[in-house]
Amino acid sequence: GIQVEQSPPDLILQEGANSTLRCNFSDSVNNLQWFHQNPWGQLINLFYIPSGTKQNGRLSATTVATERYSLLYISSSQTTDSGVYFCAVAGNQFYFGTGTSLTVIP
Amino acid sequence: KAGVTQTPRYLIKTRGQQVTLSCSPISGHRSVSWYQQTPGQGLQFLFEYFSETQRNKGNFPGRFSGRQFSNSRSEMNVSTLELGDSALYLCASSLAVAGGQETQYFGPGTRLLVL
Repeated sequence: GIQVEQSPPDLILQEGANSTLRCNFSDSVNNLQWFHQNPWGQLINLFYIPSGTKQNGRLSATTVATERYSLLYISSSQTTDSGVYFCAVAGNQFYFGTGTSLTVIP
Repeated sequence: KAGVTQTPRYLIKTRGQQVTLSCSPISGHRSVSWYQQTPGQGLQFLFEYFSETQRNKGNFPGRFSGRQFSNSRSEMNVSTLELGDSALYLCASSLAVAGGQETQYFGPGTRLLVL
C-alpha cells in the first residue's frame, strides 16, 4: 500500500501563530484530502487537493504531486484549531497518515 | 443536505458477541467506505461498497464483514468480538462518479468498547 508520513507528530502553538504541516506519500495518487478531527472524533473535510494550491480563510494547502508531498498552512491560529490533522491519499483505497496533533494555547 | 449519519454512536459489548453498525450516506452518494481508528494502529481502511458490491477490502480478518443496500445505506458486522476490536468506526460516503477523484465525507463515528 501507499505509505503516508506526516510531520511534525505534535505541535504546540501560541494563539495567533502560524504553522505548516507536511504530508509525504510514497506513490502517485489520484486523490489527496486534508481533514481535521475534532475532540469528538468527527473528521471534517478541509481540502480536496490532489495537486495545486487552495485557500479557505486562514487555511491553505499546496500539493506537489510530482514530488509526492502536500503542505497545510494554518495562519493566525485559534484555540478552535486544536485537534488532529490528517492527510489521506487514495490509490484504490484511502491511506491515512498518523496525523499531527495541534494544540493552540491562549 | 443531511450529512453522513451513523448509528449507534456508542456501544458496549463483551468478548465473543457480535455487533452491527449502520451508516447512511449523504443523499445521492453511491459509495460507502468503512474505517477503524485505534490509538495503536491509527485510521485503517476496512472496505468500500458501491452499488451493493464490495469494491475494495482492507487487511482485516473475515470476522469483519459488510453490506450495502439498494438505497446505498450500509452496515458492517463484526462477529466474535475481541478486546482489540475496541475502536472508533468511521463511515465515509462519496459520489463515486469520478474514479475516486472526489471528496469523501465522514460520519461522526461509532465508538465500540469490547469488555
